[in-house]
Amino acid sequence: AQTVTQSQPEMSVQEAETVTLSCTYDTSESDYYLFWYKQPPSRQMILVIRQEAYKQQNATENRFSVNFQKAAKSFSLKISDSQLGDAAMYFCAYRGGFTSGTYKYIFGTGTRLKVLA
Amino acid sequence: NAGVTQTPKFQVLKTGQSMTLQCAQDMNHEYMSWYRQDPGMGLRLIHYSVGAGITDQGEVPNGYNVSRSTTEDFPLRLLSAAPSQTSVYFCASTMGRGGIQYFGAGTRLSVL
Repeated sequence: AQTVTQSQPEMSVQEAETVTLSCTYDTSESDYYLFWYKQPPSRQMILVIRQEAYKQQNATENRFSVNFQKAAKSFSLKISDSQLGDAAMYFCAYRGGFTSGTYKYIFGTGTRLKVLA
Repeated sequence: NAGVTQTPKFQVLKTGQSMTLQCAQDMNHEYMSWYRQDPGMGLRLIHYSVGAGITDQGEVPNGYNVSRSTTEDFPLRLLSAAPSQTSVYFCASTMGRGGIQYFGAGTRLSVL
């Protein structure tokens, strides 16, 4: 079975600095997608970034980028020039199951990011 | 665009009561799912559906039922509420194979 592990329950970063959130996953599948979602205090889940496993190039969205290491099964999120609005819970997620037809999502336990002014 | 509409936003139940959490999406997505979110445990999949008439169990299905009679609607039923079901519940629908999920606003449920 696939698993997603976020080993950092909480991280802090100074405003304007850079922070990296870690995520590792375990799977025997070769076809899958990886995601980072943000959950601010409003509770709304917001997609931050998505990575397709068959693409070697790391995804980037403005100040957010990932370091995707497929062989190591690692998918870290880098936030550059951190802003107060980045403070939130961040979830790493995996989607596979295309061969079996299940298409299930699996989420990590989350990392709470605090941004210090 | 309404996206994913989830109701109610808050609910308090007594042990043994039943209720239905409603979820509707207007994006014609085939795949829909229900999660519960508990502190320190992330989002855990309760049930999911790959299309109208097709549902399957997720990681924590016990105590919950679902049905999918239309593409738009995917209600979650609590048959006999227990304090262990106190949680925040999210409904989501997924666009295509690439899998961007769109979430409802969540329901905070307390079972006394």
